[in-house]
Amino acid sequence: NAGVTQTPKFRILKIGQSMTLQCTQDMNHNYMYWYRQDPGMGLKLIYYSVGAGITDKGEVPNGYNVSRSTTEDFPLRLELAAPSQTSVYFCASSRDRGTGELFFGEGSRLTVL
Amino acid sequence: DAKTTQPNSMESNEEEPVHLPCNHSTISGTDYIHWYRQLPSQGPEYVIHGLTSNVNNRMASLAIAEDRKSSTLILHRATLRDAAVYYCILRDGSGATNKLIFGTGTLLAVQP
Repeated sequence: NAGVTQTPKFRILKIGQSMTLQCTQDMNHNYMYWYRQDPGMGLKLIYYSVGAGITDKGEVPNGYNVSRSTTEDFPLRLELAAPSQTSVYFCASSRDRGTGELFFGEGSRLTVL
Repeated sequence: DAKTTQPNSMESNEEEPVHLPCNHSTISGTDYIHWYRQLPSQGPEYVIHGLTSNVNNRMASLAIAEDRKSSTLILHRATLRDAAVYYCILRDGSGATNKLIFGTGTLLAVQP
């Protein structure tokens, strides 16, 4: 199994540009999460989803949007990129709540100049 | 959301046991205690989880206090490959909340 796949792995954006970080999982997991990790810091939750069509805000949702039209995909949209969004972004999924192990992607490193 | 508190950093010597503490005094009855670790330049990976009883797997052991307000991740024999940031998080098993909040974790340094 591929697990959780994120694309792209690296991207450089100019201020004001927009882009979408893709996240796909092939484990039929209901729960999916987007985190960002700034250098030397812990993970901050941006958005999460408990199933297709259901999303909710995390700790730091401003400047981002998500959608969940299928179980497999959970794209993260950055509108009007700002230098403060320079970070490593991780997507994660789990089968269920509570006992479900979280599976993480390899991360997407985004730089906004 | 229930929060966890961990020391910022710890040091260990290779081949010695390591006890990583986590406080979660506001834990609810349906919260599972999860541990993840993050190696440099990688995404976090699952280590172990438990609800009430102590748990063992091939990577580590999890000791949970009787009142569940604290837990300890035990690495029985630290290796250089165990140098990582270790995160303790709570997952709500009831579904009342599905936010998963990571704290800053404990940076474990392993000396040869």
